[in-house]
Amino acid sequence: SQQGEEDPQALSIQEGENATMNCSYKTSINNLQWYRQNSGRGLVHLILIRSNEREKHSGRLRVTLDTSKKSSSLLITASRAADTASYFCATDPPGAGSYQLTFGKGTKLSVIP
Amino acid sequence: GAGVSQTPSNKVTEKGKYVELRCDPISGHTALYWYRQSLGQGPEFLIYFQGTGAADDSGLPNDRFFAVRPEGSVSTLKIQRTERGDSAVYLCASSPRGMGGYTFGSGTRLTVV
Repeated sequence: SQQGEEDPQALSIQEGENATMNCSYKTSINNLQWYRQNSGRGLVHLILIRSNEREKHSGRLRVTLDTSKKSSSLLITASRAADTASYFCATDPPGAGSYQLTFGKGTKLSVIP
Repeated sequence: GAGVSQTPSNKVTEKGKYVELRCDPISGHTALYWYRQSLGQGPEFLIYFQGTGAADDSGLPNDRFFAVRPEGSVSTLKIQRTERGDSAVYLCASSPRGMGGYTFGSGTRLTVV
């Protein structure tokens, strides 16, 4: 079953603009991760944020986490055509040895040159 | 190798046939995972190996699905009596000790006709 729900399902922006994607989940988590997927194949890990963190940065990526609202956002600044892909959030449950990721349905981002 | 390798990249099989999908994880990664991704959905967990043993196979949909990892490195996902509903991209991932971000392979696209 899918835990995360990304919003919006699809997003189209001009190159240079910022892209914001949101993720909501239902149960308590240990970590939340964001992945990118090109052309429906392998996923690339972008960033991991722990449940006790509120914000994390990596290059042009900024992730926030609000555990009280069970939501996260991924911001891509100064988007490029190469950022065109599907983006998924994934959560893993609390507890020692937690490993099973539950993915949302993803946001399909199109960056127009 | 440098990444997670999955073979074949594409597999077309007839309904009722048996298929094997192979995953070669990153050297030294003790944790290995199989996920299945249907069109328009996020990946769904199938099975997790820690070393040679299946630590959690709760995601396998039924007893037609089976996976092995006999020497703690390469894993094979086996599907018996394939059905059209088994058509999906099967993704393998590995990580050190089951923690942190995973490294995914490019997947095997299985089509059952």
